[in-house]
Amino acid sequence: AQSVTQLGSHVSVSEGALVLLRCNYSSSVPPYLFWYVQYPNQGLQLLLKYTSAATLVKGINGFEAEFKKSETSFHLTKPSAHMSDAAEYFCAVYNTDKLIFGTGTRLQVFP
Amino acid sequence: EPEVTQTPSHQVTQMGQEVILRCVPISNHLYFYWYRQILGQKVEFLVSFYNNEISEKSEIFDDQFSVERPDGSNFTLKIRSTKLEDSAMYFCASRDSGGANIQYFGAGTRLSVL
Repeated sequence: AQSVTQLGSHVSVSEGALVLLRCNYSSSVPPYLFWYVQYPNQGLQLLLKYTSAATLVKGINGFEAEFKKSETSFHLTKPSAHMSDAAEYFCAVYNTDKLIFGTGTRLQVFP
Repeated sequence: EPEVTQTPSHQVTQMGQEVILRCVPISNHLYFYWYRQILGQKVEFLVSFYNNEISEKSEIFDDQFSVERPDGSNFTLKIRSTKLEDSAMYFCASRDSGGANIQYFGAGTRLSVL
């Protein structure tokens, strides 16, 4: 069965610092992988997706993720955090027309 | 930009009561979904719906749950007799028939069962 694991339920960074949110997947077939973000009192917004094209995927708001098959990872990064990046981030894998989500990582950004 | 709309944003109900959560998917989308997130837990798939029938449902989606597309715009989730453990955030999502398989989510309905 396909699944994703997000390491770290909370990540705190200073404004301007590198953001790294970790996601590892388990899949017997080439996966479709997604990162979604949830701002307070809002729905899940798609940040980026991997669908077996380029392994480095660029998303909105300066985020990107790299698919590494050898490490079964799809970590989300942003070179310089902004206060507005504070939110909950979810990694998900697509499985027969449904999304399997990780447990989420709450990102806090300090001034 | 088109968006998925869910109402109400917060629903409070007594245990045993029926609730209907409403969703208006993006207008040209054909695939519809419900997910839920119990506080502090992961987002879980409940059901998918296409061509006026359920495509897939999870083990959570038991006989107390039903979905309906009563007209050309709404997609509803009904819980017949709510339990305390049904308290959660319920998300509706929709996607088009393209190959990207991108699901667009609403802001959710927080259901509180007392």
